[in-house]
Amino acid sequence: EVQMLESGGGLVQPGGSLRLSCAASGFTFSNYGMSWVRRAPGKGLEWVSGVSGSGDNTYYADSVKGRFTISRDNSKNTLYLQMNSLRAEDTAVYYCAKGYGLSGTNTYFDDWGQGTLVTVSS
Amino acid sequence: QVVLTQSPSASASLGASVKLTCTLSSGHSTYAIAWHQQQPEKGPRYLMRLNSGGSHTKGDGIPDRFSGSSSGAERYLTISSLQSEDEADYYCQTWGTGIQVFGGGTKLTVL
Repeated sequence: EVQMLESGGGLVQPGGSLRLSCAASGFTFSNYGMSWVRRAPGKGLEWVSGVSGSGDNTYYADSVKGRFTISRDNSKNTLYLQMNSLRAEDTAVYYCAKGYGLSGTNTYFDDWGQGTLVTVSS
Repeated sequence: QVVLTQSPSASASLGASVKLTCTLSSGHSTYAIAWHQQQPEKGPRYLMRLNSGGSHTKGDGIPDRFSGSSSGAERYLTISSLQSEDEADYYCQTWGTGIQVFGGGTKLTVL
């Protein structure tokens, strides 16, 4: 059974940093592209960033480019999101999502985590 | 860039059927999409992948009450025999190299 458990969320001041983790199990982690998706209060789902199975290719939404960094440690079956220069509009529940099949990041999501809440406020 | 358009809300009675729509922007009518469900206070759940011909591949454990179909640039999610637990937000998603796009979501109320 595929399981993904996010952690690392919390309250941070504007301009601060936070590192999210997503511990995955139940599948061969290194074979699949992974992404972070967020949902801000009262809003819909927004893709944030994606990474290929090898970690060689990374992609970002314009809203986070230059501030967030996605990475993965395939030896630990863990996905990360380093978030710097946080803004109030980054407040959201952050979900990790697994890509379908051996298609890198050019595919849809077929499994999701339960999310971790990030609140950016002074 | 592709844009997915969904109605913000829909409602139907317990036991009835409802058809939700996701519309692909001009020039992208052949794109496949995926449907996801997000119940209150839960993470999203993959429902199905749906291509332009209406062929769909459902996720593990998704009931037969959920089905998909397509017409032109429109992609549909039909839920029959509505149950209270179907009250949720429904999102369509499409993808490309280095990008993922979600529709704005439809909030389904079961009356």
